[in-house]
Amino acid sequence: EVQLVESGGGLVQPGGSLRLSCAASGFSFSSYGMNWVRQAPGKGLEWVSGISGGSSHTYYADSVKGRFTISRDNSKNTLYLQMNSLRAEDTAVYYCARGSDGSGQIALDIWGQGTMVTVSS
Amino acid sequence: QAGLTQPPSVSKGLRQTATLTCTGNSNNVGNQGAAWLQQCQGRPPKLLSYRNNNRPSGISERFSASRSGSTASLTITGLQPEDEADYYCSAWDTSLSAWVFGGGTKLTVL
Repeated sequence: EVQLVESGGGLVQPGGSLRLSCAASGFSFSSYGMNWVRQAPGKGLEWVSGISGGSSHTYYADSVKGRFTISRDNSKNTLYLQMNSLRAEDTAVYYCARGSDGSGQIALDIWGQGTMVTVSS
Repeated sequence: QAGLTQPPSVSKGLRQTATLTCTGNSNNVGNQGAAWLQQCQGRPPKLLSYRNNNRPSGISERFSASRSGSTASLTITGLQPEDEADYYCSAWDTSLSAWVFGGGTKLTVL
């Protein structure tokens, strides 16, 4: 079964850091681009960051550029999101999502259940 | 980053047909086409269609998508109570090198 399982969310103070993980199973992880997408409470979906299968290309939304770092360990089938200098507006459920093909530009076809990040003092 | 434009809400009766729209530009919907996602309350998004009218395995034929220029549409026929959800369009923006989403349409089945 193709599956993505996020972990690492929690409560953090403004200015703090958190690292999210996404464990993948059921498919050839290194063959797919991966992404992080977030959803603030009661709001819509916002793409955060993406990374190519071999890590050669990374992409970031302007709202997180310079604060968040996406990475992956293909030997562990795991995607990461290092989040620094966190702000209240980063509070959201964070989903990892697979790009449906090698380009990663056609669709986000598999989604995890999400992990909640709350930034508050 | 500019997003795609969707109407906030659509209401239709049971067994009727609903058409949801999504407007982008030549760098996203007009170039790569749109993908449509369904999000039921408290659940993660689920892919319904991509590249305008390709459906993943297991998605009902009641869901069909199309595109005209930079506007994509999702048509849901024979509306059922379980179709009540939020629907998002998405597309890769070649100018931004980023995924962009619509604000979502809340579909109510009366």
